[in-house]
Amino acid sequence: ETGVTQSPTHLIKTRGQQVTLRCSSQSGHNTVSWYQQALGQGPQFIFQYYREEENGRGNFPPRFSGLQFPNYSSELNVNALELDDSALYLCASSPDTGGVPLDQETQYFGPGTRLLVL
Amino acid sequence: AQSVTQPDIHITVSEGASLELRCNYSYGATPYLFWYVQSPGQGLQLLLKYFSGDTLVQGIKGFEAEFKRSQSSFNLRKPSVHWSDAAEYFCAVGAGGFKTIFGAGTRLFVKA
Repeated sequence: ETGVTQSPTHLIKTRGQQVTLRCSSQSGHNTVSWYQQALGQGPQFIFQYYREEENGRGNFPPRFSGLQFPNYSSELNVNALELDDSALYLCASSPDTGGVPLDQETQYFGPGTRLLVL
Repeated sequence: AQSVTQPDIHITVSEGASLELRCNYSYGATPYLFWYVQSPGQGLQLLLKYFSGDTLVQGIKGFEAEFKRSQSSFNLRKPSVHWSDAAEYFCAVGAGGFKTIFGAGTRLFVKA
């Protein structure tokens, strides 16, 4: 297994800009979730994709959007960046385990992308 | 509403001493519970998980956790801490369908 990778590792943007963060899941993992982890906080669920469709969403505005591709890669896009968007963004992939509820599946996390909005 | 509380922001223990990290959850149904560890600059690594059955769960790196429904708790324990255990620890609950809710974390410091 190659693990979950994310790019870039660090990014600096200015308020109002748009950003795209990328994640490469483990082969065979059809579920990917994105989390925002502000400094000193636990990860907050943004949304989840399963087989290229959004499968659920947390309390984040529509300017947070995502895409999942057939090659196990995915993107998190954030428009109109705000200062409070500064955080570590984590993606996590999960395997298909056939009939197991998604909240039981083990998630494999990438190292994250640290975004700073000035 | 579902929530996870980790009452201790940080804990310091001496190397070789025992460790217990507290976690309390609020969830209406049968919870799916997890403990993750995060080292600086790293993603989260799953230590252990509880879905059903035996309430004492064994994990990796010598960690264990006990689910106590009456206390809505899922405390993490280790009998003898190593310096390499210094990290941030997150308790989490599977909140139905797709969502995982994390606590704010407890940072563990290990004294030599």
